[in-house]
Amino acid sequence: DGGITQSPKYLFRKEGQNVTLSCEQNLNHDAMYWYRQDPGQGLRLIYYSQIVNDFQKGDIAEGYSVSREKKESFPLTVTSAQKNPTAFYLCAISPPGEHNEQFFGPGTRLTVL
Amino acid sequence: DAKTTQPPSMDCAEGRAANLPCNHSTISGNEYVYWYRQIHSQGPQYIIHGLKNNETNEMASLIITEDRKSSTLILPHATLRDTAVYYCIVATTGTASKLTFGTGTRLQVTL
Repeated sequence: DGGITQSPKYLFRKEGQNVTLSCEQNLNHDAMYWYRQDPGQGLRLIYYSQIVNDFQKGDIAEGYSVSREKKESFPLTVTSAQKNPTAFYLCAISPPGEHNEQFFGPGTRLTVL
Repeated sequence: DAKTTQPPSMDCAEGRAANLPCNHSTISGNEYVYWYRQIHSQGPQYIIHGLKNNETNEMASLIITEDRKSSTLILPHATLRDTAVYYCIVATTGTASKLTFGTGTRLQVTL
């Protein structure tokens, strides 16, 4: 929150469809991250980007894709190749500097039927 | 990143101090201790971090042992709104450093 927007809050899709989750920030931060959270579990890193037009895979990138064409936007596409897409998806940003605080958006809860 | 060990759950009475422990016995010299919390169905919230000195901010205090193998997050006067899952994470600094979230401690503040 506080400059990070994720929409929509709840999203339903049929199995086999690709779906793109939105993450927008107006704080002019370079670093952006996508995490996935399953019930009762911690967060797992999917992708992160430190600068426009560049991004790196996290721990569970398979079945996901991202783009970073603009500094303020880091959309995540959940493809049909992701075997278990139903989850809570969180976007985060990190300000420049030597410390590693991350600030999270409100999340999107994706349900694939 | 070094692994951390936290108790799965703790209770605290409202108005009392909540002391949340974390073990990180394999922490490296250049790794910081970070604490986040997550209130149900929301994104995690950054609380505090430290390297080796004790730290305090408006939310909490962080006490790190001299050997840096463990730490304690202190919420001095817990309220019902502090009920959340608290994550202890060790990581290096810099935006390329990954934060590894375990399952954390579920703190329940009661009347």
